[in-house]
Amino acid sequence: EPEVTQTPSHQVTQMGQEVILRCVPISNHLYFYWYRQILGQKVEFLVSFYNNEISEKSEIFDDQFSVERPDGSNFTLKIRSTKLEDSAMYFCASTDRRNTEAFFGQGTRLTVV
Amino acid sequence: AQSVTQPDIHITVSEGASLELRCNYSYGATPYLFWYVQSPGQGLQLLLKYFSGDTLVQGIKGFEAEFKRSQSSFNLRKPSVHWSDAAEYFCAVGSQGGSEKLVFGKGTKLTVNP
Repeated sequence: EPEVTQTPSHQVTQMGQEVILRCVPISNHLYFYWYRQILGQKVEFLVSFYNNEISEKSEIFDDQFSVERPDGSNFTLKIRSTKLEDSAMYFCASTDRRNTEAFFGQGTRLTVV
Repeated sequence: AQSVTQPDIHITVSEGASLELRCNYSYGATPYLFWYVQSPGQGLQLLLKYFSGDTLVQGIKGFEAEFKRSQSSFNLRKPSVHWSDAAEYFCAVGSQGGSEKLVFGKGTKLTVNP
């Protein structure tokens, strides 16, 4: 069964460092998403990406965040200068069309120290 | 704005007992509704979805959910719980044509006693 894969599963970084979280969406999917879940809180939408551009973003997704699809298979989330409050589980998701069920990866746990 | 409420943070049931997890949503139009499950160390797996039509939907692993527009609810049920159902369950709402994002509830953690 096709699945969304994320790497790494866990990343520890120092405050102020840049991190890149990587995702390989399902191969025939066209819409890509990042969500995050701070420990004990809701899963929150960050950004959606379609046709090589951001289609929607939340107020959380400020200038320190960026997304990219560098090739035909990867989808990345970059956090430029990490803060302690960026510590969370980050989920990548993909869909084959708009407004339908999303398929999620297993998540990357980011710990900022 | 869309919102989802899962009133029960933690539920404990005995194996073989029935289960109902509650979900209430707030949305101005007809929503898309989903239940996802997250086992420890795993991602979010889709259990079932409601888009339109029959308000009782069947999902994987023997789960079902019923959409009740009058109550703005989408409760998840299972007639007989198995120990492997222990996990965290998330209700989510999506838009049928507007925003692409899913809005999640805070989740309900299910513990199954032998």
